[in-house]
Amino acid sequence: AQRVTQPEKLLSVFKGAPVELKCNYSYSGSPELFWYVQYSRQRLQLLLRHISRESIKGFTADLNKGETSFHLKKPFAQEEDSAMYYCALSGTGGYQKVTFGTGTKLQVIP
Amino acid sequence: DTGVSQDPRHKITKRGQNVTFRCDPISEHNRLYWYRQTLGQGPEFLTYFQNEAQLEKSRLLSDRFSAERPKGSFSTLEIQRTEQGDSAMYLCASPGGPLYNEQFFGPGTRLTVL
Repeated sequence: AQRVTQPEKLLSVFKGAPVELKCNYSYSGSPELFWYVQYSRQRLQLLLRHISRESIKGFTADLNKGETSFHLKKPFAQEEDSAMYYCALSGTGGYQKVTFGTGTKLQVIP
Repeated sequence: DTGVSQDPRHKITKRGQNVTFRCDPISEHNRLYWYRQTLGQGPEFLTYFQNEAQLEKSRLLSDRFSAERPKGSFSTLEIQRTEQGDSAMYLCASPGGPLYNEQFFGPGTRLTVL
């Protein structure tokens, strides 16, 4: 069975402080990992995917297969980063359904 | 704008009533996914379509739920004899990204069962 665990429901940081949102997964095989974000009153949208190895809005995430983790990081939090963040995974076969974690609310304090 | 639209955006109903939601996906995609999101949870997969064929259903989809995609374009999700536990956000998504594993979500339909 595939599972995504986000241990923190809420993470509060001060503006300018580093951010790390934790994500661990369980999957038999090599999954594709994602981070989705939902800003207030907006629809859920993709933030980044591990295969792209890109930085979006200053966020990065490294896939650690040994620890089965895909933590989301940003060196300096900004107020506009306040949102719900969901870690997610799918298989790599194309057109796979996605399994989501329960989400972490990031609150950036001015 | 991802191009996925859903209607209605909000629905309040009394327990025992039937409700129907509609999803209009991104037009060039032949797959369409339905998810449900309850308070404090991430989206949970319900079912998906390849054109008009419903190819997989989650165990979350009880026999009170039925989904259709009659012409391989828009889709409907009907819940019969609604229960308070059906209260949730119902999300529709079209696939995208390099491997088509990325989900482009609609705004969702928020159902409240009184």
